[in-house]
This record gives sequence, C-alpha cells and structure tokens, in this order.
Amino acid sequence: DQQVKQNSPSLSVQEGRISILNCDYTNSMFDYFLWYKKYPAEGPTFLISISSIKDKNEDGRFTVFLNKSAKHLSLHIVPSQPGDSAVYFCAASPSGGTSYGKLTFGQGTILTVHP
Amino acid sequence: DVKVTQSSRYLVKRTGEKVFLECVQDMDHENMFWYRQDPGLGLRLIYFSYDVKMKEKGDIPEGYSVSREKKERFSLILESASTNQTSMYLCASKWAGVGDTQYFGPGTRLTVL
Repeated sequence: DQQVKQNSPSLSVQEGRISILNCDYTNSMFDYFLWYKKYPAEGPTFLISISSIKDKNEDGRFTVFLNKSAKHLSLHIVPSQPGDSAVYFCAASPSGGTSYGKLTFGQGTILTVHP
Repeated sequence: DVKVTQSSRYLVKRTGEKVFLECVQDMDHENMFWYRQDPGLGLRLIYFSYDVKMKEKGDIPEGYSVSREKKERFSLILESASTNQTSMYLCASKWAGVGDTQYFGPGTRLTVL
C-alpha cells in the first residue's frame, strides 16, 4: 500500500523554465511534508518542508505547495538549472510523540534539466 | 555541520553470509533509521531506533536485525544474506523533535551474489 505516490517517474525541462514535481498521499495522519534531492552515489539531502498548517513555503528558487483537501503537494523550481538534475523524493510524516519522525517516501521523480 | 557516515560505499557478499552495515552520526541525534532504496519503490524503512538499545520495526524488517549499543552508532545486520537484499542501503539520523529533518549518509551499495 503506497501511502505516498509520485506518479511521474521522470520529468524533462529546459534550463530557465519551471519544473513542477507532484506528490499525492493517502494517509490523513500525515501533517508534515518534505522534499529531498538525491544525486547518484550520494545520500538524499533535505530541500524544503511544509507543515499542514501552511499551504505554501518558499526558499529561494524552491516553493512547495500543499493542498490538504486534495492530499496533494507539489514542488516548483524556478528557474530550473542543470545542477537541479537529480532524483526528487517527497516524504510525509505524522506528528506526535510516538511517530519518532518516521518518514514515508514516494517512489521518486528523476528531473533532467537541459541546457 | 551534521555528518552521517556509513562504513562501506560498496560491498559484495555471497548468499548466506552474515553482513554488517555500520552507521555513525556525530550530532548527538536521538533517532536513527535504516532504509533501502530500490528503483521504482523509493526509500523504504527497515528499522529505526529512538534511543540506545531501543528499536522498532519499519515497513520491511524481514530478514534484517539492528543493534544500537551507543547513541552515535546504528548497525544493520543481514543474518543470512539473500539475492533479493541486493540494494542501496541508507542510514539517517535526526533529533527527537517533531518536524526535524532527517540527515542521510552516503549509502552502501550491497550486492549479494
């Protein structure tokens, strides 16, 4: 049962354009969401997060949008750069003392930004 | 700067061997995690630990065990390696607070022949 889904295995965009990566979740207990970026042969690195009390969080070129009613979040990268080419994972976590910050990850989306 | 290190980047083992994967973090994090990453499946949680000598099963614990004797070190053990355990193994750690991010090590690519 895939509780966090990234339905697009890959995305290809031109340098300077917007990249939009999507993520859907099914578990209503999730209330904290993160995006990680992963280069080959490296561990994932944290990119940006959003709490369920917000619907948008921005950090430089990266913006995450959360639509709780649709159980959907998206990551926007503007403008996209070749160095953004990587695998992007969305992850979700329930809050609460017994969760220990466990994350449930999506399958990942391979982003390729062409010069 | 948080640092999570894993003992090996690449490992090749034979079916039936006992395999130890070691993870060390230097930020005094309470919580530590072991994941495996497979194409099309993302990262799946194997085990996690929220304190020394404390452990809990994740989503796919079968065939694995863990050990946390010291706060900074979390070991993943494959008691009898099988070919379907060929994967990328990733360790992560975080503080105990809600909403804190997990920091990952570089991963160990394990091949079981």
